[in-house]
Amino acid sequence: DIQMTQSPSTLSAFVGDSVTITCRASQSISTWLAWCQQKPGKAPKLLIYKASKLETGVPSRFSGSGSGTEFTLTISSLQPDDFATYYCQQHAAYPLTFGGGTKIEIK
Amino acid sequence: EVQLVESGGALVQPGGSLRLSCAASGLRFSDHKMDWVRQLPGKGLEWVGRIRWRRDSDTTEYAASVKGRFTVFRDDSKNSLYLQMNSLTIEDTAVYYCVRSDVSGYFGTWGQGTMVTVSS
Repeated sequence: DIQMTQSPSTLSAFVGDSVTITCRASQSISTWLAWCQQKPGKAPKLLIYKASKLETGVPSRFSGSGSGTEFTLTISSLQPDDFATYYCQQHAAYPLTFGGGTKIEIK
Repeated sequence: EVQLVESGGALVQPGGSLRLSCAASGLRFSDHKMDWVRQLPGKGLEWVGRIRWRRDSDTTEYAASVKGRFTVFRDDSKNSLYLQMNSLTIEDTAVYYCVRSDVSGYFGTWGQGTMVTVSS
């Protein structure tokens, strides 16, 4: 199975900060990586697919990069609506697997 | 707008069975791979299983933790996805999400989820 490791698990930041979350795959997954956002009590929502492609309707302050085994999600200028938990997900091979999540908290 | 609405979540005893349903609208359902993903209480996300489309003979894939106990199936005539869960254990307690997947396999659209509680 491909293990997905996210870091940090928790991140505290101010509104307006730029933050970066890292996701590492235990083996190469090319760019078969997606990022989603989940708010408490809600379903996850797709943000980024194919490592760097922004889903329709997602603000441009979200960006993704990387290939192979190392990927990043960057949120430039954090907004109050962005405080949530973020997950990476690989879809290169079965079983499909998620990272453990990164919770972004208000500092 | 694509909408996925799950139903069927309930309290069930260990060893019991349950069937979840997902009603899809706003998409050509038969053209999409569909998945079930679950979230244990206070935990992260875990993929459960996938069913491909008719031209791939509705083939399925499962996580090891549910293989042989859970079955994903679909009825394209009803725009519906199902998850038959047998031999349930306490570790299956979770919110179960129905998900429309893109052709390349990432999870695109999520339902709101339905809660399954396995307890005596």
